[in-house]
Amino acid sequence: AQSVTQPDIHITVSEGASLELRCNYSYGATPYLFWYVQSPGQGLQLLLKYFSGDTLVQGIKGFEAEFKRSQSSFNLRKPSVHWSDAAEYFCAVGPPYNNNDMRFGAGTRLTVKP
Amino acid sequence: DVKVTQSSRYLVKRTGEKVFLECVQDMDHENMFWYRQDPGLGLRLIYFSYDVKMKEKGDIPEGYSVSREKKERFSLILESASTNQTSMYLCASSSWTGGASSQETQYFGPGTRLLVL
Repeated sequence: AQSVTQPDIHITVSEGASLELRCNYSYGATPYLFWYVQSPGQGLQLLLKYFSGDTLVQGIKGFEAEFKRSQSSFNLRKPSVHWSDAAEYFCAVGPPYNNNDMRFGAGTRLTVKP
Repeated sequence: DVKVTQSSRYLVKRTGEKVFLECVQDMDHENMFWYRQDPGLGLRLIYFSYDVKMKEKGDIPEGYSVSREKKERFSLILESASTNQTSMYLCASSSWTGGASSQETQYFGPGTRLLVL
């Protein structure tokens, strides 16, 4: 079965600094990969997803993620963080054939310092 | 825009009460999901429905049941609430394309934070 690890529970960055959130997955083949963001008190919003093709994926709000098969990773990046990016970020993985078997990481909470 | 709504943002219930959490989506999605979210554990699937009156157990179905009488509505029922069911409950929906690559984006509601006393 697939699984997802987000090694960082909490990250603090200064506003304007770059950001990288780590995500490692375990799956026997190439899964479908997702990053979601959850603002305080809100549901999850999709930032970006990778199904196939170009391994560098652009998402909303200036985020991007890179799929690296050799490292089983799908790290999320943003070149310059804004205070409004403070939220919790979830990486998720799912097999291509099964819509009800999505696995979520435990989440990384991002704090942005002024 | 896909819209998934949940009937309550916050609920406080007593141990032993029967609790209903309602979810409605407006995009004619076939699939609907109920997750619970707990700190450090991420999201865990409780139940999943791929069609009206159809349901499948997820990873943690114990203590829960579901109902899907209409395509747009998916209800989560706690038959007898217990304190260990205090959590954030998230509903999601997705379309079904079938075939070998049927994984589709799930769209989430705002969540219901349930406190069981």
